[in-house]
Amino acid sequence: DAKTTQPPSMDCAEGRAANLPCNHSTISGNEYVYWYRQIHSQGPQYIIHGLKNNETNEMASLIITEDRKSSTLILPHATLRDTAVYYCIVRVNSGGSNYKLTFGKGTLLTVNP
Amino acid sequence: GAVVSQHPSWVICKSGTSVKIECRSLDFQATTMFWYRQFPKQSLMLMATSNEGSKATYEQGVEKDKFLINHASLTLSTLTVTSAHPEDSSFYICSAQGQATYGYTFGSGTRLTVV
Repeated sequence: DAKTTQPPSMDCAEGRAANLPCNHSTISGNEYVYWYRQIHSQGPQYIIHGLKNNETNEMASLIITEDRKSSTLILPHATLRDTAVYYCIVRVNSGGSNYKLTFGKGTLLTVNP
Repeated sequence: GAVVSQHPSWVICKSGTSVKIECRSLDFQATTMFWYRQFPKQSLMLMATSNEGSKATYEQGVEKDKFLINHASLTLSTLTVTSAHPEDSSFYICSAQGQATYGYTFGSGTRLTVV
């Protein structure tokens, strides 16, 4: 089962920042938070991941709370092409040195003109 | 970098036949590959995890004799849906993880329709 909870949908105006929240209150100390997005009928696209510290790359920023029980993905200047389902995922250990990504229901972000 | 190619992108087959889907990591060695299934308007469901040269580990409720997974090399994994039925119609997606990365790269998916 997914260890994350996200709002089912959000809207954002084009050019504005999109802030997507995620709750992961049962996260363990060594479990990473990953964010992916999926545009209709395509494979998921990696956005960003982090453990404790805030992270930033060319696509987005990831803000993780100090207690690590929640995080926020920030798309600084949303465009129409950012309309997609965004998945927040906690990577869990599946035995030994193996880890897996279990997807929750995600948030459908709609960027409006 | 980190490109995963999945083939075919779509396939239609008759009920009772078998279908093979390939997943290749093009520019890195994938020590672990994952297979997911996605029904319309639903999230991705992990079916199995495979490590190169080892038997796949299937998630609870996934029939290993129906969904055969082979991960014979560090760049290729295959999923064979045996004796396919209309209820197996779905979007199948593979993911690959390299040895030196925390990232998981996904293929573009295969739309399977069983008629």
